[in-house]
Amino acid sequence: AQSVAQPEDQVNVAEGNPLTVKCTYSVSGNPYLFWYVQYPNRGLQFLLKYITGDNLVKGSYGFEAEFNKSQTSFHLKKPSALVSDSALYFCAVRDSDMRFGAGTRLTVKP
Amino acid sequence: EAQVTQNPRYLITVTGKKLTVTCSQNMNHEYMSWYRQDPGLGLRQIYYSMNVEVTDKGDVPEGYKVSRKEKRNFPLILESPSPNQTSLYFCASSFGPRTSGGAAYYEQYFGPGTRLTVT
Repeated sequence: AQSVAQPEDQVNVAEGNPLTVKCTYSVSGNPYLFWYVQYPNRGLQFLLKYITGDNLVKGSYGFEAEFNKSQTSFHLKKPSALVSDSALYFCAVRDSDMRFGAGTRLTVKP
Repeated sequence: EAQVTQNPRYLITVTGKKLTVTCSQNMNHEYMSWYRQDPGLGLRQIYYSMNVEVTDKGDVPEGYKVSRKEKRNFPLILESPSPNQTSLYFCASSFGPRTSGGAAYYEQYFGPGTRLTVT
């Protein structure tokens, strides 16, 4: 069965610095990987996905993610963090259904 | 506007009193799903539906029922709610698999959430 792990409960970065939110996955076949963001009192919003092709995937709000097959990772990145990026981020893998990680709370401080 | 709607958004109820949380989508999606979100546990799938009249259990189906009589609606039913079902619930929808191998690479669209408290 597929699964994802987000090893960090919390990530703190200063505004303007690069950010990374980590995700590792386990699947038996081809991985279909997703990142979602949840702002306070809101539902989840889709950020980006990896299906096939380039290992670097670009998504909404300036985010990107790097697929690394050898390390079974799909880390979310942004070159320059904004205070408004502070939110809860979820990595997910999908086969017949979707499995989410436990989430990582990103706090960007001014 | 393409969206997933849930009602109610907030609900406080008592143990044993049957309740239904409605979910509706206007994107003609085949796949719909219910999740509950609890601190430290992320989102756990309760039930999902691949299409009309096709439903299946997710990771935490105990105490819940669903039905899919129409493509757009996927209500979540708690026949006898208990305090351990206090949680934040999300409905989601997406296009379904397009191949017999079950390749499902479409992103899901989420509703705004329903915060349920059972006392």
